[in-house]
Amino acid sequence: SYELTQPPSVSVSPGQTASITCSGDELGDEFASWYQQKPGQSPVLLIYQDSKRPSGIPERFSGSHSGNTATLTISGTQAVDEADYYCQAWDSSTSYVFGTGTKVTVL
Amino acid sequence: EVQLLESGGGLVQPGGSLRLSCAASGFTFSSYAMSWVRQAPGKGLEWVSGISGSGGSSTNYADSVKGRFTISRDNSKNTLYLQMNSLRAEDTAVYYCAKRASVSGTTKAFDYWGQGTLVTVSS
Repeated sequence: SYELTQPPSVSVSPGQTASITCSGDELGDEFASWYQQKPGQSPVLLIYQDSKRPSGIPERFSGSHSGNTATLTISGTQAVDEADYYCQAWDSSTSYVFGTGTKVTVL
Repeated sequence: EVQLLESGGGLVQPGGSLRLSCAASGFTFSSYAMSWVRQAPGKGLEWVSGISGSGGSSTNYADSVKGRFTISRDNSKNTLYLQMNSLRAEDTAVYYCAKRASVSGTTKAFDYWGQGTLVTVSS
């Protein structure tokens, strides 16, 4: 089955940059999306089509994609950015696939 | 304002059935594909099932639920459903309904999510 692998955790100091990677064997053929989920809340779409931000998403969130790896970057990380982050892609055989998730801690 | 409101969750015994509903508002429901995504306690997100805007035979399922779950929609009622049969302990999760971000399907992401409904399968 298609898998998207993320680091389990990332720690970042306030004001610094956090990068979260998402790797998958077939990710090079598809766009990646990213979601933020805070405890007890529903996921929120942060990035779609690798690097596009929906309206209302702060500019400090950006996305990129190279080969089989997509990356979510949080610039000038704030305490409110502490959350779980999931990448997601689409595969013709398995439909939607989510990454394993990354817990971002702002120290 | 787009709103998705799930209902129908609860406690059910293994082997039992449950039907989830998702009432949608604030957008042209029939134009958008919809999905169910679940999250087991303390775990990550898992896509469960999806259905095209027109419904009909354009449905698909994760292997983990194929043959046990059925997704459907009533566009006249702006409501999405998930019929869950032969439930197992591993189906215990919060179930979210989610709207696809684009009408055409070019954007394969979910731009709106409901608040979720908890399904607990236990004896």
